[in-house]
Formats: sequence, structure tokens, C-alpha cells
Amino acid sequence: DADVTQTPRNRITKTGKRIMLECSQTKGHDRMYWYRQDPGLGLRLIYYSFDVKDINKGEISDGYSVSRQAQAKFSLSLESAIPNQTALYFCATRGQPGTEAFFGQGTRLTVV
Amino acid sequence: AQSVTQLGSHVSVSEGALVLLRCNYSSSVPPYLFWYVQYPNQGLQLLLKYTSAATLVKGINDFEAEFKKSETSFHLTKPSAHMSDAAEYFCAVREGGSQGNLIFGKGTKLSVKP
Repeated sequence: DADVTQTPRNRITKTGKRIMLECSQTKGHDRMYWYRQDPGLGLRLIYYSFDVKDINKGEISDGYSVSRQAQAKFSLSLESAIPNQTALYFCATRGQPGTEAFFGQGTRLTVV
Repeated sequence: AQSVTQLGSHVSVSEGALVLLRCNYSSSVPPYLFWYVQYPNQGLQLLLKYTSAATLVKGINDFEAEFKKSETSFHLTKPSAHMSDAAEYFCAVREGGSQGNLIFGKGTKLSVKP
């Protein structure tokens, strides 16, 4: 099994719908992240969490919300999806600062 | 503030040729630097990392990178490209402060011609 698992892997949704992307990890890491990848823009940080009670906005948090249900679970929600939220979304985990991040396989989201 | 610049959004090499992917960084703290690879329809996988030990860092699949403080660079190289190296490559630097989040470059897509 993968260390970082994202569900769903692909999703098509309509404008205005609420959608949740889920992430779970078996690394035992406290730090979890949600990134968005767009062609030519690299990865941009949406939200991050250092533990269950610590949630922080990243570079592009507008239009998104998150929930850290447990150390191992971190979900990303789009309350009212819009077409420019069409992108590839990645969840990642890290141990201590300075260590590398471990990524899930990604969720390809299309908003029509 | 920390930042990463990857020179060249697309690089094309012939099979067997040298691969050179460029990364320059800016950092107000001693940098921790990373190279990741993303194969089609997959997540990012760590190739190698620099964390203030040896300046020449060896990674998987014969990739290596050299940290040059005077040039603020961390270029990725491989002596001989394989078709299987075709992928997108991302350079990242650790952000300063207590968060220490990773800041990614915009990526370089490597094509390998037969």
C-alpha cells in the first residue's frame, strides 16, 4: 500500500458543487500539506497542518477549506467549485523540518 | 523570502547525452534543497536532497546535483540520458522560519529523443 493515499484519483464536477478530496498517510508524520499543480506554475501550497489542532493557510487558500480529522487524515474541500479550480491536487506529508516531503499520487479535478 | 528559479521549462536531449537541469535559489537561511521527479500520471518522487553535508549529492538513477553557494545554484545532472528519464523535474528549497515549508520551482519537462 502507498504511504500517502489520495481519493478520488479523478473527479469531474459541476460549477457550484461542493467537493471533498481526501488524503490519508501511514508515515506517522505530523505535517501534512495540500498543493495544487497547474501547467507552467509548478506546485503551489493551499493549506498545511502541523498537527490536528494546527491549520495554516498557504499561498492560494481562497476558495478552499481543510479538515484534519486525525494525525493520518487531511481533507481538502471546495465549497463551491469553479472552473479555474480545475487542476491536479497533491497531498504530501513531512517529518521534521529539513526533511523531504512524501507525495500522494494526485487527484485530477475537472470543474465544468 | 526564499524562492526557486528553474531555467528552461522544456529541455530536450538525445538518448545517451548529458542531462543538465538548472536551478537557482534565494534563501535567507542556510538552504535545504531538493530535486523531485514526476513521471506521467504519478506523484512527485524525491531524487536527491542537500542538507548542508557534502556539496555534491548523489541521488537515484545516476542523477546528481552540486550545491554552489557562490552561484546560489543546485543544478541537476546525469551523464547519460535514458528514454525512461522523460519526466518533469522540480527543484525545491526549504522556507525559512519555524514552518520550513518547501517552495517549488515551476518545473522543467525533460524530453529524451531516441
